[in-house]
Amino acid sequence: KAGVTQTPRYLIKTRGQQVTLSCSPISGHRSVSWYQQTPGQGLQFLFEYFSETQRNKGNFPGRFSGRQFSNSRSEMNVSTLELGDSALYLCASSQQPSNTEAFFGQGTRLTVV
Amino acid sequence: SQQGEEDPQALSIQEGENATMNCSYKTSINNLQWYRQNSGRGLVHLILIRSNEREKHSGRLRVTLDTSKKSSSLLITASRAADTASYFCATVTNFGNEKLTFGTGTRLTIIP
Repeated sequence: KAGVTQTPRYLIKTRGQQVTLSCSPISGHRSVSWYQQTPGQGLQFLFEYFSETQRNKGNFPGRFSGRQFSNSRSEMNVSTLELGDSALYLCASSQQPSNTEAFFGQGTRLTVV
Repeated sequence: SQQGEEDPQALSIQEGENATMNCSYKTSINNLQWYRQNSGRGLVHLILIRSNEREKHSGRLRVTLDTSKKSSSLLITASRAADTASYFCATVTNFGNEKLTFGTGTRLTIIP
């Protein structure tokens, strides 16, 4: 069974630009969550989707948004990038929302210059 | 915000020794999970312990949970160089807001 796939793996963007990250969950998993990891703040929850509906959202500004498609694939978008958005963005999938184990992708390393 | 605080922040031990990491959290939980991360890559799930469980084992891993003290510990026995990684605890609360909230992590280094 293929694992969680995140694309792209690395990305360099300029301040003010926008970016879209993609996540393909494990086949059969309907829950997808996104996390931001930085050295200063650690792992911070962004949002969670289940069956195309956003179930939870973390404390991030409205520049961060996401969606989930009918095939459970998910995208997150960050508009008007700031230097502080530089981070490792991790996607996790699970069969059900977080009361079971989550399977993580390798992440997308975003650098904003 | 972090739900959990892990202790110690960093730990270095000789190969073959046991490693113990602790996690404290603030609110009532549904379950607590431990994850491993190698060098800024994705996280790997190690073990899940539910609020009504006190101890779980998986191979060389032993996890305990004390809900009265809001704390958990992860013990890795007979450590190997490949165990070098960062270890995170993550909690899921009872409040219908079932997201994983991660602790600050422990950086474990196994010295060959």
